[in-house]
Amino acid sequence: GAVVSQHPSWVICKSGTSVKIECRSLDFQATTMFWYRQFPKQSLMLMATSNEGSKATYEQGVEKDKFLINHASLTLSTLTVTSAHPEDSSFYICSASGPNSDTQYFGPGTRLTVL
Amino acid sequence: GENVEQHPSTLSVQEGDSAVIKCTYSDSASNYFPWYKQELGKRPQLIIDIRSNVGEKKDQRIAVTLNKTAKHFSLHITETQPEDSAVYFCAASNNTDKLIFGTGTRLQVFP
Repeated sequence: GAVVSQHPSWVICKSGTSVKIECRSLDFQATTMFWYRQFPKQSLMLMATSNEGSKATYEQGVEKDKFLINHASLTLSTLTVTSAHPEDSSFYICSASGPNSDTQYFGPGTRLTVL
Repeated sequence: GENVEQHPSTLSVQEGDSAVIKCTYSDSASNYFPWYKQELGKRPQLIIDIRSNVGEKKDQRIAVTLNKTAKHFSLHITETQPEDSAVYFCAASNNTDKLIFGTGTRLQVFP
């Protein structure tokens, strides 16, 4: 149980375009989903926390207009990187936790490369 | 806010030896401490966790200890195997759901 999928697994896009990444909880209802960014050989940096049906809470320094998060259902959250630039290239990972649980289960990640 | 420090950053051991990774946290309200294993290019996987009402937890070759007074917790891996080679992250949470991660430890187990 507690499987989280992420799509796509990798994406290459041109500078200035937008990219949408999906995160799904496959076998449980994810009341909370988290989006992280991870640079090579570094730790996971929390970008935002999203609860189903409400606006995401962004961490300090993360631009909400640049990284749009939607958590429309208990099994799906999306992260849209708008007007992507090369410095946005990174490994983006989502995680999800169920009701009354602080255990987070991670998706496989999406490697974004912006040319 | 919470700050989690992790040591060492790299650890090399011979197969069969034990490995210990240590983390300290700053927020005394933290009460949940998971450990994740991440292989190159893959997702972090939860390997063990401990809550503040327990001092030690063990699962086969893996154990975690927690010292609330000193605000530190440790991961112990015994009888290490080459497949234990990965990056290990500790994390802490204080009922906000938000996990604050340590900087990671790259463990290499040599056969």
